[in-house]
Amino acid sequence: GESVGLHLPTLSVQEGDNSIINCAYSNSASDYFIWYKQESGKGPQFIIDIRSNMDKRQGQRVTVLLNKTVKHLSLQIAATQPGDSAVYFCAENSQSGGSQGNLIFGKGTKLSVKP
Amino acid sequence: GAVVSQHPSWVICKSGTSVKIECRSLDFQATTMFWYRQFPKQSLMLMATSNEGSKATYEQGVEKDKFLINHASLTLSTLTVTSAHPEDSSFYICSARKPGVYGYTFGSGTRLTVV
Repeated sequence: GESVGLHLPTLSVQEGDNSIINCAYSNSASDYFIWYKQESGKGPQFIIDIRSNMDKRQGQRVTVLLNKTVKHLSLQIAATQPGDSAVYFCAENSQSGGSQGNLIFGKGTKLSVKP
Repeated sequence: GAVVSQHPSWVICKSGTSVKIECRSLDFQATTMFWYRQFPKQSLMLMATSNEGSKATYEQGVEKDKFLINHASLTLSTLTVTSAHPEDSSFYICSARKPGVYGYTFGSGTRLTVV
Protein backbone atom coordinates (compact mmCIF):
# COMPACT_ATOMS: atom_id res chain seq x y z
CA GLY A 1 0.00 0.00 0.00
CA GLU A 2 0.99 3.64 -0.13
CA SER A 3 2.85 5.00 2.83
CA VAL A 4 4.71 7.89 4.27
CA GLY A 5 8.21 7.24 5.56
CA LEU A 6 11.14 9.03 7.08
CA HIS A 7 14.81 9.00 6.21
CA LEU A 8 16.12 9.42 9.78
CA PRO A 9 14.69 7.75 12.87
CA THR A 10 16.73 9.83 15.34
CA LEU A 11 18.30 13.25 15.30
CA SER A 12 20.50 14.82 17.92
CA VAL A 13 21.30 18.53 17.73
CA GLN A 14 22.97 21.13 19.87
CA GLU A 15 20.81 23.78 21.44
CA GLY A 16 20.71 26.82 19.20
CA ASP A 17 21.44 24.91 16.02
CA ASN A 18 18.93 24.41 13.24
CA SER A 19 17.22 21.06 12.84
CA ILE A 20 16.01 19.45 9.65
CA ILE A 21 13.66 16.49 9.72
CA ASN A 22 12.89 14.73 6.47
CA CYS A 23 9.98 12.71 5.21
CA ALA A 24 9.26 10.84 1.98
CA TYR A 25 5.78 10.12 0.77
CA SER A 26 4.61 7.82 -1.96
CA ASN A 27 0.98 8.70 -2.60
CA SER A 28 0.98 11.07 -5.53
CA ALA A 29 -2.68 11.88 -4.82
CA SER A 30 -1.84 13.38 -1.43
CA ASP A 31 -2.46 17.10 -1.49
CA TYR A 32 -2.18 18.12 2.12
CA PHE A 33 0.67 17.52 4.51
CA ILE A 34 1.05 18.17 8.20
CA TRP A 35 3.89 18.02 10.70
CA TYR A 36 3.08 17.00 14.24
CA LYS A 37 5.10 17.04 17.44
CA GLN A 38 4.45 14.37 20.02
CA GLU A 39 5.82 14.46 23.52
CA SER A 40 5.95 11.32 25.61
CA GLY A 41 2.53 10.16 26.76
CA LYS A 42 0.66 12.88 24.90
CA GLY A 43 -1.30 13.22 21.72
CA PRO A 44 0.22 14.76 18.59
CA GLN A 45 0.37 18.53 18.49
CA PHE A 46 -0.06 20.42 15.22
CA ILE A 47 3.04 22.30 14.12
CA ILE A 48 2.56 23.40 10.54
CA ASP A 49 0.88 22.26 7.37
CA ILE A 50 1.24 22.79 3.65
CA ARG A 51 -0.92 22.17 0.63
CA SER A 52 0.38 20.67 -2.57
CA ASN A 53 -0.01 23.93 -4.46
CA MET A 54 2.79 25.39 -2.34
CA ASP A 55 6.44 24.46 -1.96
CA LYS A 56 7.27 26.39 1.19
CA ARG A 57 5.47 27.64 4.24
CA GLN A 58 6.85 29.38 7.27
CA GLY A 59 5.68 29.60 10.82
CA GLN A 60 7.28 30.74 14.01
CA ARG A 61 10.77 29.18 13.99
CA VAL A 62 9.54 26.41 11.69
CA THR A 63 9.51 26.03 7.93
CA VAL A 64 8.04 23.23 5.88
CA LEU A 65 9.34 22.52 2.41
CA LEU A 66 7.53 20.37 -0.12
CA ASN A 67 9.17 18.91 -3.20
CA LYS A 68 6.48 17.21 -5.23
CA THR A 69 8.91 16.12 -7.91
CA VAL A 70 10.68 13.73 -5.57
CA LYS A 71 7.79 13.42 -3.10
CA HIS A 72 9.78 14.80 -0.23
CA LEU A 73 8.76 16.86 2.77
CA SER A 74 10.98 18.48 5.35
CA LEU A 75 10.58 20.37 8.59
CA GLN A 76 13.15 22.94 9.55
CA ILE A 77 13.36 24.20 13.11
CA ALA A 78 15.43 27.29 13.67
CA ALA A 79 17.43 27.84 16.86
CA THR A 80 16.40 24.51 18.32
CA GLN A 81 15.56 24.61 22.00
CA PRO A 82 15.40 21.87 24.66
CA GLY A 83 11.62 22.18 24.59
CA ASP A 84 11.70 21.04 20.98
CA SER A 85 12.80 17.58 22.08
CA ALA A 86 10.05 15.20 21.00
CA VAL A 87 9.07 12.82 18.24
CA TYR A 88 8.07 14.48 15.01
CA PHE A 89 5.69 12.91 12.52
CA CYS A 90 4.79 13.91 9.04
CA ALA A 91 1.31 13.03 7.88
CA GLU A 92 -0.37 13.10 4.51
CA ASN A 93 -3.95 13.44 3.47
CA SER A 94 -5.86 13.38 0.25
CA GLN A 95 -8.68 15.88 0.26
CA SER A 96 -9.74 15.48 -3.32
CA GLY A 97 -13.45 15.47 -3.83
CA GLY A 98 -14.04 17.58 -0.74
CA SER A 99 -13.82 14.71 1.75
CA GLN A 100 -11.96 15.11 5.01
CA GLY A 101 -10.08 11.95 4.34
CA ASN A 102 -7.83 10.58 6.99
CA LEU A 103 -4.20 11.08 7.88
CA ILE A 104 -1.46 8.59 7.11
CA PHE A 105 1.47 9.01 9.44
CA GLY A 106 5.15 8.51 8.81
CA LYS A 107 7.33 6.52 11.15
CA GLY A 108 8.51 9.45 13.22
CA THR A 109 11.84 11.05 14.06
CA LYS A 110 12.99 11.51 17.61
CA LEU A 111 14.64 14.88 18.06
CA SER A 112 17.00 15.24 21.01
CA VAL A 113 18.37 18.65 21.85
CA LYS A 114 21.61 18.77 23.78
CA PRO A 115 22.08 21.78 26.10
CA GLY B 1 -8.80 26.92 17.97
CA ALA B 2 -10.15 23.43 18.23
CA VAL B 3 -10.18 21.29 21.34
CA VAL B 4 -10.59 17.54 21.47
CA SER B 5 -10.93 15.96 24.88
CA GLN B 6 -10.25 12.29 25.50
CA HIS B 7 -11.13 10.34 28.60
CA PRO B 8 -9.78 8.52 30.49
CA SER B 9 -6.12 9.36 30.09
CA TRP B 10 -5.14 5.97 31.37
CA VAL B 11 -6.91 2.78 32.37
CA ILE B 12 -5.91 -0.61 33.69
CA CYS B 13 -8.30 -3.49 33.21
CA LYS B 14 -8.36 -7.22 33.62
CA SER B 15 -8.26 -9.61 30.70
CA GLY B 16 -11.70 -10.39 29.39
CA THR B 17 -13.29 -7.14 30.46
CA SER B 18 -14.38 -4.24 28.25
CA VAL B 19 -13.14 -0.69 28.33
CA LYS B 20 -14.78 2.41 26.90
CA ILE B 21 -12.82 5.43 25.75
CA GLU B 22 -14.54 8.74 25.04
CA CYS B 23 -13.56 11.40 22.55
CA ARG B 24 -15.29 14.78 22.64
CA SER B 25 -15.01 17.82 20.44
CA LEU B 26 -15.46 20.65 22.92
CA ASP B 27 -15.87 23.73 20.77
CA PHE B 28 -17.06 22.38 17.46
CA GLN B 29 -19.21 19.73 15.91
CA ALA B 30 -17.48 16.80 14.30
CA THR B 31 -19.37 14.60 11.90
CA THR B 32 -16.21 12.57 11.49
CA MET B 33 -13.70 11.48 14.08
CA PHE B 34 -10.71 9.20 13.73
CA TRP B 35 -9.33 6.59 16.08
CA TYR B 36 -5.66 5.69 16.11
CA ARG B 37 -3.57 3.17 17.92
CA GLN B 38 0.06 3.65 18.80
CA PHE B 39 2.50 1.09 20.17
CA PRO B 40 5.64 2.23 22.01
CA LYS B 41 8.19 3.92 19.76
CA GLN B 42 5.96 3.45 16.74
CA SER B 43 3.82 5.66 14.61
CA LEU B 44 0.10 6.19 14.77
CA MET B 45 -1.95 3.63 12.89
CA LEU B 46 -5.46 4.50 11.84
CA MET B 47 -7.96 2.02 13.22
CA ALA B 48 -11.26 3.42 12.07
CA THR B 49 -13.19 6.45 10.96
CA SER B 50 -16.17 7.26 13.13
CA ASN B 51 -19.16 8.74 11.33
CA GLU B 52 -21.95 10.48 13.20
CA GLY B 53 -25.22 8.65 12.75
CA SER B 54 -23.82 5.81 10.70
CA LYS B 55 -21.50 2.86 10.94
CA ALA B 56 -17.80 3.36 11.43
CA THR B 57 -15.37 2.53 8.68
CA TYR B 58 -12.64 0.18 9.83
CA GLU B 59 -9.18 -0.17 8.39
CA GLN B 60 -8.06 -3.50 7.06
CA GLY B 61 -7.09 -5.88 9.83
CA VAL B 62 -9.03 -4.09 12.57
CA GLU B 63 -11.74 -6.26 14.11
CA LYS B 64 -14.96 -4.29 14.21
CA ASP B 65 -16.52 -6.64 16.74
CA LYS B 66 -13.62 -6.13 19.09
CA PHE B 67 -13.26 -2.39 18.72
CA LEU B 68 -16.78 -1.04 18.86
CA ILE B 69 -17.23 2.54 17.78
CA ASN B 70 -20.28 4.65 18.48
CA HIS B 71 -20.69 8.20 17.22
CA ALA B 72 -24.12 9.04 18.57
CA SER B 73 -23.77 12.82 18.60
CA LEU B 74 -21.84 15.51 16.77
CA THR B 75 -19.51 15.98 19.72
CA LEU B 76 -18.93 12.49 21.04
CA SER B 77 -17.41 9.30 19.70
CA THR B 78 -16.65 6.29 21.86
CA LEU B 79 -14.31 3.36 21.33
CA THR B 80 -15.02 0.23 23.32
CA VAL B 81 -12.36 -2.45 23.50
CA THR B 82 -14.29 -5.63 24.15
CA SER B 83 -12.92 -8.75 25.82
CA ALA B 84 -9.58 -7.04 26.24
CA HIS B 85 -6.37 -9.04 26.13
CA PRO B 86 -2.83 -8.01 27.08
CA GLU B 87 -1.97 -7.55 23.39
CA ASP B 88 -4.59 -4.80 23.26
CA SER B 89 -2.45 -2.75 25.62
CA SER B 90 -1.57 0.36 23.69
CA PHE B 91 -2.00 4.11 23.40
CA TYR B 92 -5.30 5.01 21.77
CA ILE B 93 -5.76 8.48 20.30
CA CYS B 94 -8.71 10.17 18.64
CA SER B 95 -8.78 13.14 16.33
CA ALA B 96 -11.19 15.42 14.53
CA ARG B 97 -11.03 18.42 12.28
CA LYS B 98 -12.76 21.68 12.97
CA PRO B 99 -13.85 23.41 9.78
CA GLY B 100 -11.75 26.46 9.09
CA VAL B 101 -8.98 25.38 11.43
CA TYR B 102 -5.71 24.10 10.12
CA GLY B 103 -4.83 20.50 10.60
CA TYR B 104 -6.49 17.79 12.58
CA THR B 105 -6.74 18.14 16.33
CA PHE B 106 -5.84 15.20 18.49
CA GLY B 107 -6.96 14.16 21.93
CA SER B 108 -4.43 13.62 24.67
CA GLY B 109 -4.62 9.87 24.26
CA THR B 110 -5.60 6.96 26.49
CA ARG B 111 -3.02 4.55 27.80
CA LEU B 112 -4.70 1.14 28.08
CA THR B 113 -3.01 -1.60 30.07
CA VAL B 114 -4.63 -5.02 30.14
CA VAL B 115 -3.42 -7.32 32.92
